[in-house]
Amino acid sequence: LAKTTQPISMDSYEGQEVNITCSHNNIATNDYITWYQQFPSQGPRFIIQGYKTKVTNEVASLFIPADRKSSTLSLPRVSLSDTAVYYCLVGDPTSGTYKYIFGTGTRLKVLA
Amino acid sequence: DAGVTQSPTHLIKTRGQQVTLRCSPKSGHDTVSWYQQALGQGPQFIFQYYEEEERQRGNFPDRFSGHQFPNYSSELNVNALLLGDSALYLCASSSDWGRYGYTFGSGTRLTVV
Repeated sequence: LAKTTQPISMDSYEGQEVNITCSHNNIATNDYITWYQQFPSQGPRFIIQGYKTKVTNEVASLFIPADRKSSTLSLPRVSLSDTAVYYCLVGDPTSGTYKYIFGTGTRLKVLA
Repeated sequence: DAGVTQSPTHLIKTRGQQVTLRCSPKSGHDTVSWYQQALGQGPQFIFQYYEEEERQRGNFPDRFSGHQFPNYSSELNVNALLLGDSALYLCASSSDWGRYGYTFGSGTRLTVV
């Protein structure tokens, strides 16, 4: 399973765009990149998943360069409610033996 | 459409006791995974159930066991509780091998005293 490296913590101000980068140098050909958000005392919540280039949904964008050795989660115009831990996960969800391996994530604090 | 439901939400047990945690997956999901999350850490994979069988397992002792029922709901059992078993236990459900992501419940907070 590909190991991921993320910053331990980040601070931002309301209304700013936040970019969280995840490094996954040994990503495999069939691996996807998935990001989850977790608030205290709640389970993680799926944000976005992608394989290459750019994926966008109503809450975030995911940028994946051609070599796929890193990815960047972009949160536009964050608010105080975006304060949470963000996890980057890498793996092949079609393998039949896929399981999420969580790291310690990135603690994002949004300031007023 | 209900998401993943876990019960109970909180539980206090004494060392050496046994505990059973329950999970009802999201409608349409057939796979259930269990995670243990200690304070300040990321969730750690315990095991995954599909078609009522344990499909894969993380690095947890045999004191941790589980079951999946025909309706896809699941139980996590922990025997001979240790103080170190105190954690948030999360259940996640998925379908199609999880290719569309997992849906997590809010967890059961277990405190062992």
